[in-house]
Amino acid sequence: EPEVTQTPSHQVTQMGQEVILRCVPISNHLYFYWYRQILGQKVEFLVSFYNNEISEKSEIFDDQFSVERPDGSNFTLKIRSTKLEDSAMYFCASRANPSEAFFGQGTRLTVV
Amino acid sequence: AQKVTQAQTEISVVEKEDVTLDCVYETRDTTYYLFWYKQPPSGELVFLIRRNSFDEQNEISGRYSWNFQKSTSSFNFTITASQVVDSAVYFCALSAYSGAGSYQLTFGKGTKLSVIP
Repeated sequence: EPEVTQTPSHQVTQMGQEVILRCVPISNHLYFYWYRQILGQKVEFLVSFYNNEISEKSEIFDDQFSVERPDGSNFTLKIRSTKLEDSAMYFCASRANPSEAFFGQGTRLTVV
Repeated sequence: AQKVTQAQTEISVVEKEDVTLDCVYETRDTTYYLFWYKQPPSGELVFLIRRNSFDEQNEISGRYSWNFQKSTSSFNFTITASQVVDSAVYFCALSAYSGAGSYQLTFGKGTKLSVIP
């Protein structure tokens, strides 16, 4: 069964460092998403991506964040200068139609 | 705007008891999709069920059942004869047209279920 794959599963980084979280969506999907879940809280939408551009973003997704689909298979989330409050679980998701939502297993980011 | 409310923050039940997790949603769209996810302590989101707004038929899958009622904007989830392995956080989520075409998911705050042996 096809699945969304995220790497790494856990990343520890120092405050102020740049991090790139990687995702490989399901191959025939066209819509891609990043969500964030701060420990103990709900899952929050960050950004959606379609046709090689951002289609929607939340207020969380400020200038420190960027997304890219560099090679037609990977979908990345970059945080330019990490802050302590960026520590969270980051989920990638993809879909082919509105009734679906396939999530990766998540990347746990710890900023120290 | 979309909104999902899970009023129950935490529930504890004794093993083999039935438990119902409540979910109330808000949307102006006539076409939307509702989901339930399970998040075990390991952290991944495990898909449980999806319903679309045109299908109010309730569903049973093993020990799980779902009650979708558009009249009350509710999509409740019942676990029959609960087991310790059911202990997790359960999220209800709504996907509706956001205006930008992305059909992003809006999650509730989750209900933490603890099943005590």
